[in-house]
Amino acid sequence: DTEVTQTPKHLVMGMTNKKSLKCEQHMGHRAMYWYKQKAKKPPELMFVYSYEKLSINESVPSRFSPECPNSSLLNLHLHALQPEDSALYLCASSQDRRKGTHGYTFGSGTRLTVV
Amino acid sequence: GIQVEQSPPDLILQEGANSTLRCNFSDSVNNLQWFHQNPWGQLINLFYIPSGTKQNGRLSATTVATERYSLLYISSSQTTDSGVYFCAVRRYSTLTFGKGTMLLVSP
Repeated sequence: DTEVTQTPKHLVMGMTNKKSLKCEQHMGHRAMYWYKQKAKKPPELMFVYSYEKLSINESVPSRFSPECPNSSLLNLHLHALQPEDSALYLCASSQDRRKGTHGYTFGSGTRLTVV
Repeated sequence: GIQVEQSPPDLILQEGANSTLRCNFSDSVNNLQWFHQNPWGQLINLFYIPSGTKQNGRLSATTVATERYSLLYISSSQTTDSGVYFCAVRRYSTLTFGKGTMLLVSP
């Protein structure tokens, strides 16, 4: 299995809702990442988990809350989002955040719309 | 942080044409990847190429790490090659993307 699976593929939520994005990989990778991508822009790093511990938080607002329950799963909990948070949210994994010979593998993303 | 510049920003080709995309980076890197993002948003890994040359079908890539650039070659382009091509580099622990090249291949 060489895939990163993200659910849901599409999500529409109100500004008072609470929702979660899920990401799963079974490649034995020990680093997992959340990226945010706005239209016509490159992906921007949000969070890095290494060996199930949060190692990098790129000054992301607290309305985004990551969680890594185990080495295969990564969640992103959303609460009280703003319309400007609408974007494509991409999950990725790699063997190790500092090593690895095969680079990063990305999921197909969750397209989030905040209304 | 490390700077990644891609050129050209936009490219329009007739089906069957060849093209070269360039990626320049400002510092030494541990990893360089080329991705194709299709219209549905999927980032597809084309090459992991921190140095040297690799080929996969109609695509090939070359990275000259000492001169801090990488090239992606697309030969005999097809309409399905349309999309955005990103170069991304890793220095230490995080992957940084260039702004991408938007490619449109017309029939």
